[in-house]
Amino acid sequence: AQSVTQLDSQVPVFEEAPVELRCNYSSSVSVYLFWYVQYPNQGLQLLLKYLSGSTLVKGINGFEAEFNKSQTSFHLRKPSVHISDTAEYFCAVSGGSNYKLTFGKGTLLTVNP
Amino acid sequence: NAGVTQTPKFRVLKTGQSMTLLCAQDMNHEYMYWYRQDPGMGLRLIHYSVGEGTTAKGEVPDGYNVSRLKKQNFLLGLESAAPSQTSVYFCASEGQQEPYEQYFGPGTRLTVT
Repeated sequence: AQSVTQLDSQVPVFEEAPVELRCNYSSSVSVYLFWYVQYPNQGLQLLLKYLSGSTLVKGINGFEAEFNKSQTSFHLRKPSVHISDTAEYFCAVSGGSNYKLTFGKGTLLTVNP
Repeated sequence: NAGVTQTPKFRVLKTGQSMTLLCAQDMNHEYMYWYRQDPGMGLRLIHYSVGEGTTAKGEVPDGYNVSRLKKQNFLLGLESAAPSQTSVYFCASEGQQEPYEQYFGPGTRLTVT
């Protein structure tokens, strides 16, 4: 079985500040890792994914994430956030023959002026 | 290319009523999924399908049924709605090959009174 823990349910930051959204996972097999973003009243959109190769993954809108196998983490970072980054962010994992995604409970990022 | 569409966008039901949510995708994807999203719970998998004519239970299947008679459509049925089924429902589809990305519909907001 696999699971995902998003360590912060809410993260408030000021505009232009850096942000890190934390995600830890557990799985007994090799994993694929994803970050999705959900803007208010919308569906989920893929931000970035890790399948294999380089552990630093760059996504859309200036976000990046680093896969750390030893710490079983996949934290999401952005060096300078904008008001428009206000949204809920979901970390998800799938692995092995289990093609189903397991989602974390989400982190609400609020960017204040 | 519409991606994943969901019908309806909003619905209010009385306890005991039935309804069907329709999901359609035009990307020729094999896999399709139904999730529900509740505050603080993230997304939970209700049912999924790995191909036309196949369905399987997810994490929270009770009270729901599904059908995949055509590859492009995945229907979610509520036979006797309960207030606990008040939620936002998302459909997603996924291809069989990398990048293993799930594409989400815009969601259906269901209220059961």
